[in-house]
Order: sequence, then structure tokens, then C-alpha cells
Amino acid sequence: DQQVKQNSPSLSVQEGRISILNCDYTNSMFDYFLWYKKYPAEGPTFLISISSIKDKNEDGRFTVFLNKSAKHLSLHIVPSQPGDSAVYFCAASAYSDSWGKFQFGAGTQVVVTP
Amino acid sequence: KAGVTQTPRYLIKTRGQQVTLSCSPISGHRSVSWYQQTPGQGLQFLFEYFSETQRNKGNFPGRFSGRQFSNSRSEMNVSTLELGDSALYLCASSPGQGRTDTQYFGPGTRLTVL
Repeated sequence: DQQVKQNSPSLSVQEGRISILNCDYTNSMFDYFLWYKKYPAEGPTFLISISSIKDKNEDGRFTVFLNKSAKHLSLHIVPSQPGDSAVYFCAASAYSDSWGKFQFGAGTQVVVTP
Repeated sequence: KAGVTQTPRYLIKTRGQQVTLSCSPISGHRSVSWYQQTPGQGLQFLFEYFSETQRNKGNFPGRFSGRQFSNSRSEMNVSTLELGDSALYLCASSPGQGRTDTQYFGPGTRLTVL
């Protein structure tokens, strides 16, 4: 039962343009969301998070938007750089789950072209 | 600080065998979570340990087990291996004091079951 879904397995974007990654979830108990970036042969690296009490969080070139009514979050990368080419995972946590358990999406492969 | 380390990085086993994977967390981190990553499925939560106690577990069969030692190092064991157990196994460490603590991932152990 995939409670966190990333429906786009891949995304290609030109350097300097905006990358928009989308993530949908089904569990209304989720109240904390994160994005991770993963390079080949490395573990996922934390990028940015957002609590359900907010609808937007920014950190440099990365902004996460949360639409609770639509159960949807998105990650915007502006401007995209070649080093952003990686797999991006969204993840969510529910208060009821607690302790170390995050539900992950299947990931979106981002390729930034010159 | 040294990051999360996992050994071995690669393993090849045959069906029916058992395997033990090791994870050393970041110094001072007391929580270790384990995830299984397979193509198209994202990361699936296996279990989480804190101070040598399993605090949370996912929906995996009893063939998957783990433990944590007093120095916070953790091991994961899979008995009676099946072909479907072929995956990247990731561990993540965090301080473990809060549900939303950032998890820091190791590079993973790639297990191939023949």
C-alpha cells in the first residue's frame, strides 16, 4: 500500500530553469514531510522539510509547498544546476507512526541539461 | 563527524542462506532505522532501534530481524533468503529524541540473492 506517490519517474530540465517535483499522499495522518536527494552509490541526503502547520518552506534554491486539502506537496528548485541531477524522494511521517519511520515515494530522477 | 557507515557494501548470496548487515551510526546518535530499497518501490521501512530496543517496525516477515548494541551499532539479519530480497538496504541514524529528527543515511549494502 503505497501511501506516498511520486507519479513522475523522471524529469528533464534545462540548466537555469525551474524544476518542479510533485508528490501525493493518501494518509491524512501525515503531518511532517521531507525531501531527500540521492546520488548513485550514496545514501539519500536530507534537503528540506515542512510541517503540516505550514504551507511553504524555503531554503536557498529549494522551496517546498504543501497543499493539505489536496494531499499534495511539491519541491521547486530555482535555478536548476547540473549538480542537482539526482533522484529525489519525498517522505512523510505520521504522529501515530512515530519513531524513525518515514514513508517514502518511489523517487523522481532529475536530469539537468546544459 | 564521520558519517553513517555500512558493511559490507556488496553481498551475493544464494536462496535459503542467511545474511547479516552492519550499520555504524554517527557518533552520538542513538537511533538507527533500516530501509529496503527496490526499483519502483522507493524505501520501505523495516525497523527502528533506540538504546538497544526496537521502538518501531514495518510490515516485513519475521525473516527480517535486527538488533542494536550498547555502542548504538546495529545489525540486520535476513534468514532463509528469497530472490525477492535482492535490494539495497539502507540504514539511517538520528539522535532519536524527536520524531522529526533528520535521518542521516549510509551508502547502503547491495544484496543480490541468486
